[in-house]
Amino acid sequence: SQKIEQNSEALNIQEGKTATLTCNYTNYSPAYLQWYRQDPGRGPVFLLLIRENEKEKRKERLKVTFDTTLKQSLFHITASQPADSATYLCALDNAGNMLTFGGGTRLMVKP
Amino acid sequence: EPEVTQTPSHQVTQMGQEVILRCVPISNHLYFYWYRQILGQKVEFLVSFYNNEISEKSEIFDDQFSVERPDGSNFTLKIRSTKLEDSAMYFCASRENRDSTEAFFGQGTRLTVV
Repeated sequence: SQKIEQNSEALNIQEGKTATLTCNYTNYSPAYLQWYRQDPGRGPVFLLLIRENEKEKRKERLKVTFDTTLKQSLFHITASQPADSATYLCALDNAGNMLTFGGGTRLMVKP
Repeated sequence: EPEVTQTPSHQVTQMGQEVILRCVPISNHLYFYWYRQILGQKVEFLVSFYNNEISEKSEIFDDQFSVERPDGSNFTLKIRSTKLEDSAMYFCASRENRDSTEAFFGQGTRLTVV
């Protein structure tokens, strides 16, 4: 069966450092992979989408890589700020009908 | 900025009662979804809806669940006879088209079954 794994332990980093979150998946060939941010009690908010034929995507301080051979995506936040503290969700996208989410990694950025 | 709106924000219901959760997707979007998130767990897909019919549904979406787009703006999720394990946050989402676009999520309805 399909499996998506994100580090369930919280990631604690110091303000200004780069946060790197990992998403691994098995038994799946997604067309796209998406990253979302979720704050407590709120709905997920889209951050970045990367296609299966793309290696890397950037948006401001965010960078996503996608390795379909390793079945892994890395999500980086550079120059992290306390406001970046949230849970970050990886989602596999089968091109339209559904997103399959990982369990999320909670990021805490300390001032 | 356009957004997906959901009502109510919180619904408490007795076990066995019917509930209807309401959503207004973004106006030019064509694909609509319901997801749920049990407290402390991952966001789970329930159903996708396009062109006035279900395009995909998960194992969770059994005969107790139904969806409807009663008019040009609303998208509803009905649970016919609620169970304690239906208690969760329910998120509606919409997408402009099927191919390579982000999903916009509403703020959710917290359903508590007592």
